[in-house]
Amino acid sequence: ETGVTQTPRHLVMGMTNKKSLKCEQHLGHNAMYWYKQSAKKPLELMFVYSLEERVENNSVPSRFSPECPNSSHLFLHLHTLQPEDSALYLCASSQEGGRTEAFFGQGTRLTVV
Amino acid sequence: QQQVKQSPQSLIVQKGGIPIINCAYENTAFDYFPWYQQFPGKGPALLIAIRPDVSEKKEGRFTISFNKSAKQFSLHIMDSQPGDSATYFCAASRNTGNQFYFGTGTSLTVIP
Repeated sequence: ETGVTQTPRHLVMGMTNKKSLKCEQHLGHNAMYWYKQSAKKPLELMFVYSLEERVENNSVPSRFSPECPNSSHLFLHLHTLQPEDSALYLCASSQEGGRTEAFFGQGTRLTVV
Repeated sequence: QQQVKQSPQSLIVQKGGIPIINCAYENTAFDYFPWYQQFPGKGPALLIAIRPDVSEKKEGRFTISFNKSAKQFSLHIMDSQPGDSATYFCAASRNTGNQFYFGTGTSLTVIP
């Protein structure tokens, strides 16, 4: 148990569906991240929230919409996804600033059909 | 452009062997280099990390070697065990900001 919990663990959704991924951290961190992990690719940083403000948005399509209501919770809202969006979505948290360990959740395996 | 390049993509060794995974970077502003280990169905977990003021760091059977002038660092696993079979990612980050740059990962299989 890393202190970062993601739900659901698995999700299958159609291209016209709307769903949300949830992440909760119990480590007292003040930065949270969404990463996309696809086979044979580096972990792709999608969004960073630091002190509850979005500080990074790496050219992610608008069909992905993050929300960080407080420093312990992070959501990723999904709508009208494409099959190529199928991947493992990982949430992580850390203390703000570099040189600190990022703790990852177990991920949500998303399949878009 | 990929900020951190990792090789090999996959590696198979016998139990007791010493697998070596290599990473290279270009950005001299990086000053924190962690290695993450990921088992199937799990998220990555920090294994060991190094800062550029030292050339080597050892924790148990895991050693990072760091070559600042060559902008390269590597992970060595001594006396490898089947339980070490996992995917290993190197990463780099700067002192400021919140971005970690990851390598593409190395799938390690240790044969009993």
